[in-house]
Amino acid sequence: DVKVTQSSRYLVKRTGEKVFLECVQDMDHENMFWYRQDPGLGLRLIYFSYDVKMKEKGDIPEGYSVSREKKERFSLILESASTNQTSMYLCASSSLLNTEAFFGQGTRLTVV
Amino acid sequence: GEDVEQSLFLSVREGDSSVINCTYTDSSSTYLYWYKQEPGAGLQLLTYIFSNMDMKQDQRLTVLLNKKDKHLSLRIADTQTGDSAIYFCAEPRRGNNRLAFGKGNQVVVIP
Repeated sequence: DVKVTQSSRYLVKRTGEKVFLECVQDMDHENMFWYRQDPGLGLRLIYFSYDVKMKEKGDIPEGYSVSREKKERFSLILESASTNQTSMYLCASSSLLNTEAFFGQGTRLTVV
Repeated sequence: GEDVEQSLFLSVREGDSSVINCTYTDSSSTYLYWYKQEPGAGLQLLTYIFSNMDMKQDQRLTVLLNKKDKHLSLRIADTQTGDSAIYFCAEPRRGNNRLAFGKGNQVVVIP
């Protein structure tokens, strides 16, 4: 069974904290993605990576950074969390040959 | 960027048919996808259609593609309570490296 695993289902952080969201996939996929999901706004792409150490900005990268040191792991970093980053964060991966994306279960982050 | 358009909410009685619509943007998209998100979970691929097809049937699911109008629809026959979810359509972007998703359509099945 293919699997994308996000390290936490729920997180509560304080404003100003540095937050790490981790994602691991076991499918040897080249592409990995971080989305945030908000009611009425659907899924919005934050960053994606198509290879180790490569990254590209998505539609809403401000306030976020990413790290991809190994092919299977893609981390989303909130340098200084703010309340408007309270959201559901979804990680996904796909192969170069197939645009079908496989999703993790999501991390619901609350910034207080 | 250009948006994939979906309506936001649909309620349907158990046993009736549901139809969810989507307007996509790129006429050269090779595949178009429907994803399902159950409460508190990530997205799962429900079905997809090749762009050279007009229709695809998969058990209770029927996907219709109108390439001229860039319109995609998903029909669920005999809707069941387990079909209550958010449904997203998606199309490839940027040389097929990523998917662009619609805002999602929440389907609520009333017993």
